[in-house]
Amino acid sequence: ELKVEQNPLFLSMQEGKNYTIYCNYSTTSDRLYWYRQDPGKSLESLFVLLSNGAVKQEGRLMASLDTKARLSTLHITAAVHDLSATYFCAVPRPPPNTGKLIFGQGTTLQVKP
Amino acid sequence: DAGVIQSPRHEVTEMGQEVTLRCKPISGHDYLFWYRQTMMRGLELLIYFNNNVPIDDSGMPEDRFSAKMPNASFSTLKIQPSEPRDSAVYFCASSLYNQETQYFGPGTRLLVL
Repeated sequence: ELKVEQNPLFLSMQEGKNYTIYCNYSTTSDRLYWYRQDPGKSLESLFVLLSNGAVKQEGRLMASLDTKARLSTLHITAAVHDLSATYFCAVPRPPPNTGKLIFGQGTTLQVKP
Repeated sequence: DAGVIQSPRHEVTEMGQEVTLRCKPISGHDYLFWYRQTMMRGLELLIYFNNNVPIDDSGMPEDRFSAKMPNASFSTLKIQPSEPRDSAVYFCASSLYNQETQYFGPGTRLLVL
């Protein structure tokens, strides 16, 4: 069974600190997706990682993918309150279930002033 | 593009009543997904369609749930009869056939009393 596991599930951190969220998955995949969900809102696509070694950065967030280790990381640099949200990683299910993403449990990030 | 449109945004009903949730995907998208999100179970895929055809409904919790997609621009998720444990946020998402990034609608917050 394909599993996508995030660690930690909840993270409370001070503004200005750095931290990393981990996403492990149990099947071979060369692609991985990160989403952000603000409280009470919908999910928004954050990063699309399409190959081994892919790195994407936007502002204080940087995501990377290691397909051999089946691991993606979402690194937060000098956190600010606006980054408080829940972050989901997702991996595509192999054929024949093409198009279907399997989501992790989500990591809720709380940035305190 | 207006993005994925869902209606209603909020629904409060009594146990035993029929509930119909509606979704309009992004124009040109071939895939449509229905998700349910709760604190206890996280984000669950209920069913998804490709070119209006249901591909995988294994996530539909029971026979009380049904989904249809009569054309490329409209889908419904129906619960009949509704129960309090159906209370959740229901998201609709769509994607293009050759891209896996899913675009989520704003969600319908359902409360069954």
